[in-house]
Amino acid sequence: GAGVSQSPSNKVTEKGKDVELRCDPISGHTALYWYRQRLGQGLEFLIYFQGNSAPDKSGLPSDRFSAERTGESVSTLTIQRTQQEDSAVYLCASSLNPAGTGELFFGEGSRLTVL
Amino acid sequence: AQSVSQHNHHVILSEAASLELGCNYSYGGTVNLFWYVQYPGQHLQLLLKYFSGDPLVKGIKGFEAEFIKSKFSFNLRKPSVQWSDTAEYFCAVGSAGNMLTFGGGTRLMVKP
Repeated sequence: GAGVSQSPSNKVTEKGKDVELRCDPISGHTALYWYRQRLGQGLEFLIYFQGNSAPDKSGLPSDRFSAERTGESVSTLTIQRTQQEDSAVYLCASSLNPAGTGELFFGEGSRLTVL
Repeated sequence: AQSVSQHNHHVILSEAASLELGCNYSYGGTVNLFWYVQYPGQHLQLLLKYFSGDPLVKGIKGFEAEFIKSKFSFNLRKPSVQWSDTAEYFCAVGSAGNMLTFGGGTRLMVKP
């Protein structure tokens, strides 16, 4: 597609449930990032995929968070046993260039609300 | 590790006023610097970037930023703001092998 696509755009879930967020990057972009933006705060890095290299998971806040990416295509961010503090907008971005060296193209985000 | 600090969390200006948003970073090596903007209801998009060369960078919509290496700063400026510039602005720093680190953002409101 023309841009980064994320789904769902909004998700309301109960505490303790698992959620899956999906990101479809721009075709040909080898780098894919997940960031989290809590209300009134900046972007918090979660995880980074670059081609077939092992992902950089250094930003994942706990072992309840995991992400996968198949090749250079779709990525899924999974949050298990959700907590209220997980409520945030989860942003996906893709880039032609390796980390830190090029423009990131962001999706619209998935707004997660944990009740 | 990289870090980015944006001094102002909220800025309110009247139309035609001049704008300067502060951004300071900490990192010992060569950096790439970015300003992203998020207009209400829209996704984040690149405003301008600096990789090397002329430290005064021009971006879209009349924005510019100046990289001052000695001050570890990359402040965003616009001589005369418009109501349509109301948005949240994020400074970011990246370096080879390190993901982009974002500042906390500055919410700009321009009063008509």
